[in-house]
This record gives sequence, C-alpha cells and structure tokens, in this order.
Amino acid sequence: SQTIHQWPATLVQPVGSPLSLECTVEGTSNPNLYWYRQAAGRGLQLLFYSVGIGQISSEVPQNLSASRPQDRQFILSSKKLLLSDSGFYLCAWSVVPGELFFGEGSRLTVL
Amino acid sequence: AQKITQTQPGMFVQEKEAVTLDCTYDTSDQSYGLFWYKQPSSGEMIFLIYQGSYDEQNATEGRYSLNFQKARKSANLVISASQLGDSAMYFCAMRRGSGAGSYQLTFGKGTKLSVIP
Repeated sequence: SQTIHQWPATLVQPVGSPLSLECTVEGTSNPNLYWYRQAAGRGLQLLFYSVGIGQISSEVPQNLSASRPQDRQFILSSKKLLLSDSGFYLCAWSVVPGELFFGEGSRLTVL
Repeated sequence: AQKITQTQPGMFVQEKEAVTLDCTYDTSDQSYGLFWYKQPSSGEMIFLIYQGSYDEQNATEGRYSLNFQKARKSANLVISASQLGDSAMYFCAMRRGSGAGSYQLTFGKGTKLSVIP
C-alpha cells in the first residue's frame, strides 16, 4: 500500500533562517506531488505541484521554492523565512488529479 | 475563477444523530470534481468522498453521503449516525475537470464539527 511521510513534524525557526521540509512517498510510481499551506483557521492553499522529476509548478509568488530530485521525493525550501511563512504545511500525492492523500503535516513557527 | 463557500464555521451534533455540512461552489467549468476531507486535531487531511460533475447519483461511502444538487451548485456532506470520532474540521474542495488546472484543488475555509455525547 502507498504511504507518505513528511518531516520534521514541528519546526521553530527565526526570521531570516533557511527552511527545508521533506516529503517522500512509498508504494507508487510517478505520483503527482503537492505542497499545501494551511494558515491558522484557514483552508488550504496550494503552493507547488509536480507531475514529474524536475517539473515544478508554482501557484503563489512567495519566498518559498520546491524541488523534486527523485520520483518520490518532494522538498519545500526557503533561503530566508518570513514571519508570514508560519503555518501548517502539508505534502500530498495523487494518481488521479485532485484525489489527494496527505502526509502528517509539518507545523512551522517563525519567530 | 473557482470558489468554494462553507457558511458554517462550527456545528454541533448529538451522538448518533445525522448532520449536514453545507458547501456551495462557483465555477464556469462543465466538468469538475467535488471532494470532502476531514482534518482531526492531529492535523492530517483524510479524503472522505468524491463526486464528479457528470455523476447522476449521489456519492456514498459508508456513513458519508454527498447531497449533490448541480443546479444549485451545492455539494453538502451528510454524516449519518454521528460518532465522537467524527469531531474534526471538514473541508469541501473542488477540482477542475481536465487539463493542467485539474491538478489543483480549491478548498473552502472549513466547518468545525463537534459531536456531543
């Protein structure tokens, strides 16, 4: 069966520091991969999605970036975090577009 | 542009009763998909149910059913025989039917359901 893992689960970082959140999927090949952000009390906002290795689409202009170095690995990064980057970040995969299966989430607090 | 509206920030339901969570959507697409997700306090998002815009019958998955009224552009989630474990945030979401946009889900702001013993 397919599983998805993301880490770290929680992260507290100072403003201006770098960020790296990692997500891996097991049990499937060539999945579509996604990074969503959920601000406190809000719905989910799509940040990036990828349909293949090295293929990244950005939905929202921001100081975050994503990379897909391997088929089942998706990384969310920032060179310098802002206070507004705080939130709950969710990685997801799908085979059928839209039918998403989410990871456990990473809670980022920027101080 | 697509838009999902969930007008109920919070709902209460007695255990073992049924509850309906409202969702309306706005799209100019003919082909689209509608989803409901559950987010417990642990944070992970759990896929519950899917309805395609061309599906003539309402989707059902166990105690979950989707009351799809296309003309009204509504896709309400009905949970029958509520259980304490149903307490969570519930999100309605919509996907465009095809093409590059079909990879994107537009989410509503969610409804917090609390099941009372």
